[in-house]
Amino acid sequence: SAVISQKPSRDICQRGTSLTIQCQVDSQVTMMFWYRQQPGQSLTLIATANQGSEATYESGFVIDKFPISRPNLTFSTLTVSNMSPEDSSIYLCSVATGATNEKLFFGSGTQLSVL
Amino acid sequence: RKEVEQDPGPFNVPEGATVAFNCTYSNSASQSFFWYRQDCRKEPKLLMSVYSSGNEDGRFTAQLNRASQYISLLIRDSKLSDSATYLCVVAFDNAGNMLTFGGGTRLMVKP
Repeated sequence: SAVISQKPSRDICQRGTSLTIQCQVDSQVTMMFWYRQQPGQSLTLIATANQGSEATYESGFVIDKFPISRPNLTFSTLTVSNMSPEDSSIYLCSVATGATNEKLFFGSGTQLSVL
Repeated sequence: RKEVEQDPGPFNVPEGATVAFNCTYSNSASQSFFWYRQDCRKEPKLLMSVYSSGNEDGRFTAQLNRASQYISLLIRDSKLSDSATYLCVVAFDNAGNMLTFGGGTRLMVKP
């Protein structure tokens, strides 16, 4: 298992501003991910945070909007840039563990509201 | 068609009841299957993996039917604390790549 500390837990932001979410893991992990979960919906993968290289983004998500840093194997940040009300959602960081990285553990999430 | 589909529910059951959820997946090459539990306003947590031979963990039993491309979760003797949303997760390979989440099935266990 892995213990993940994610912050902030919630924030209310003005449109046009940016918010950076931090994710700290208590052990070194290879695979870290960022997900979004909109109200009443399931999880959508935004990107895979790669240590030492650019993140791998899923269809519909771009680096300019969601820049990600992964300076080491225990830490990552996701920035939501130039926010609009449509960005209001829960953002979750996640790490993969297990013999073949098949099990996900999640941070407690960041509930973002954009006014 | 969604890649992973679940009945959103809610399933309202009395304490002590047995309840079952199904989840269908579209990619026949999928290799790994999981059930996660998500409490209201909390993050998802791994409940159990689903193995080809089926597996049981206490009151919870998971089954995989590759021919019909669905997995199931059976909960026996439901407790109030079982109330949550249950997410079906399917991975393209055994390395956790291309994990796809279902929309979740909401369970409400009533006294």
